[in-house]
Amino acid sequence: EAAVTQSPRNKVAVTGGKVTLSCNQTNNHNNMYWYRQDTGHGLRLIHYSYGAGSTEKGDIPDGYKASRPSQENFSLILELATPSQTSVYFCASGDINWGEQNTLYFGAGTRLSVL
Amino acid sequence: QQKVQQSPESLIVPEGAMTSLNCTFSDSASQYFAWYRQHSGKAPKALMSIFSNGEKEEGRFTIHLNKASLHFSLHIRDSQPSDSALYLCAVSTSSGSWQLIFGSGTQLTVMP
Repeated sequence: EAAVTQSPRNKVAVTGGKVTLSCNQTNNHNNMYWYRQDTGHGLRLIHYSYGAGSTEKGDIPDGYKASRPSQENFSLILELATPSQTSVYFCASGDINWGEQNTLYFGAGTRLSVL
Repeated sequence: QQKVQQSPESLIVPEGAMTSLNCTFSDSASQYFAWYRQHSGKAPKALMSIFSNGEKEEGRFTIHLNKASLHFSLHIRDSQPSDSALYLCAVSTSSGSWQLIFGSGTQLTVMP
């Protein structure tokens, strides 16, 4: 089973503070993704990456930066956290080959509260 | 931009019933369609996927895909209390970058 680990699992931050969410995968997948989940919105894509050194904007990138320093690690950075960024954040990895193996494997999530 | 919508938002069914969940999408060029299941407080986990029009069955679960009508569905036969979860449909983008766009989910409760 593919393994994706997120840290921290819970985080309380102050408005205007900097927050870094970390994600590590041991699956050797090329693609990694950051989603946020809010009631009534499902999973919304923030940033994604095709490999080390690459980051791309998803549907809701404003207020977020991403960093992919290696194949295994993908971070989401909130430079100036706001209460509207209170949410549950999920990291996912997957290899995309337009065949049957397009499954995304999700981490357990990080619950972020910005006060 | 791909739009994905699910219905109903929530559903309560008795144990043993047939459950049907619906998903519509806006981009007819999409190639990959999937259902994910998320139990309360857990990570989403892939359930089933399909590429071409038609039907695919795995155990008690069946996916139907009709690209012309921009619709696909998940059917659960003999629903069990353990099936209670949030069900998310997902559709790939048809542009050069590969992304999965998720619907807002259907909360399913199976009553024993």
